[in-house]
Amino acid sequence: QKEVEQNSGPLSVPEGAIASLNCTYSDRGSQSFFWYRQYSGKSPELIMSIYSNGDKEDGRFTAQLNKASQYVSLLIRDSQPSDSATYLCAVTDNDYKLSFGAGTTVTVRA
Amino acid sequence: GAVVSQHPSWVICKSGTSVKIECRSLDFQATTMFWYRQFPKQSLMLMATSNEGSKATYEQGVEKDKFLINHASLTLSTLTVTSAHPEDSSFYICSARGNRGPYEQYFGPGTRLTVT
Repeated sequence: QKEVEQNSGPLSVPEGAIASLNCTYSDRGSQSFFWYRQYSGKSPELIMSIYSNGDKEDGRFTAQLNKASQYVSLLIRDSQPSDSATYLCAVTDNDYKLSFGAGTTVTVRA
Repeated sequence: GAVVSQHPSWVICKSGTSVKIECRSLDFQATTMFWYRQFPKQSLMLMATSNEGSKATYEQGVEKDKFLINHASLTLSTLTVTSAHPEDSSFYICSARGNRGPYEQYFGPGTRLTVT
């Protein structure tokens, strides 16, 4: 059973600040790592995928992966009110099944 | 690219009836689709994995005779909730493996089921 844990929320940040989200996973065989954003009442939306150690940047989002520490993070720079959502960390190995964390709810204060 | 649709978006049914939910990949072929259920304020729970042309693989604790899954083509999978009861009321979401990367999954908009 893969376990994925995320830092407990909710996380409240002022507009323009950096929101930092953390995730750890238990299965060392995990190979692929994802961050999904889920607005209330909606389905998850893929915002970042990362497969190798290091940083990956896409616009205002940066994902960081450290397989030795079994740690994945997501930074949201210049946070906007539209970033207010629940962020789900997910991992998978060769079976393609996603294991999700419980999610961290982010609120960006205008 | 990588758009997944679901139909219906919401449905209300009476206890004891069956409900069918469709999941379609609109602009790519999905050899594998997944069905999830999400209760309020909880994370997604994988119910089953659906491969085109073969029987679905159900997660532990999910009743295969109650949640019937058919993956008839590379773009369509259906979930039928049979003899629905109020405790089956939930948000059902499908996803499909996309064509941009073998491990990326794209989610449909979800179907909110209410059983009265």
